[in-house]
Amino acid sequence: GAVVSQHPSWVICKSGTSVKIECRSLDFQATTMFWYRQFPKQSLMLMATSNEGSKATYEQGVEKDKFLINHASLTLSTLTVTSAHPEDSSFYICSALRGLSGSPLHFGNGTRLTVT
Amino acid sequence: GQQVMQIPQYQHVQEGEDFTTYCNSSTTLSNIQWYKQRPGGHPVFLIQLVKSGEVKKQKRLTFQFGEAKKNSSLHITATQTTDVGTYFCAVKTQGGSEKLVFGKGTKLTVNP
Repeated sequence: GAVVSQHPSWVICKSGTSVKIECRSLDFQATTMFWYRQFPKQSLMLMATSNEGSKATYEQGVEKDKFLINHASLTLSTLTVTSAHPEDSSFYICSALRGLSGSPLHFGNGTRLTVT
Repeated sequence: GQQVMQIPQYQHVQEGEDFTTYCNSSTTLSNIQWYKQRPGGHPVFLIQLVKSGEVKKQKRLTFQFGEAKKNSSLHITATQTTDVGTYFCAVKTQGGSEKLVFGKGTKLTVNP
């Protein structure tokens, strides 16, 4: 099946620093990727849609200057959490759309970010 | 935007008992997807339902899509400890977008 690789799996950083998370589709090209955020014991909240070669589309309430998304190629999207603060600590998961409209999403393993 | 209500939030069963989770929408859905997330893991796609009244089975799992395409259910027969996890339904937002909105999920725990 389709494989989506997300790196790193976990990261601990100090408040004020920036963290970059990578999401790669290993065996298919993904023109569209999605970034979700999940708090403990809660559902997945869509943050933004990452489109290859164009600007990301952010959901309401998500700061685009805080969460920088770059979809530089058909197999790579990155999420950079800038000037991280403890409240940014969360589980970030990327997903990629493979194939036609209505196809299921393939998720990366997620990144657990802890900001101290 | 498109929202879907999922119940119950938690379900604890004895191994061998059945389990059902429900998703409801106030609007007609084009399709609905179901995902399973094991503790500490990421969501894994289970199935997609498209047709009105559709019923699909995967071994002990039975998925149904309502006649009005506003509700769906996932039923597990004779649960096993391997069924532990959170089950999410997910629907596409309106307007032709590919964005998926997830229900709150039902966390299933199975007592051996």
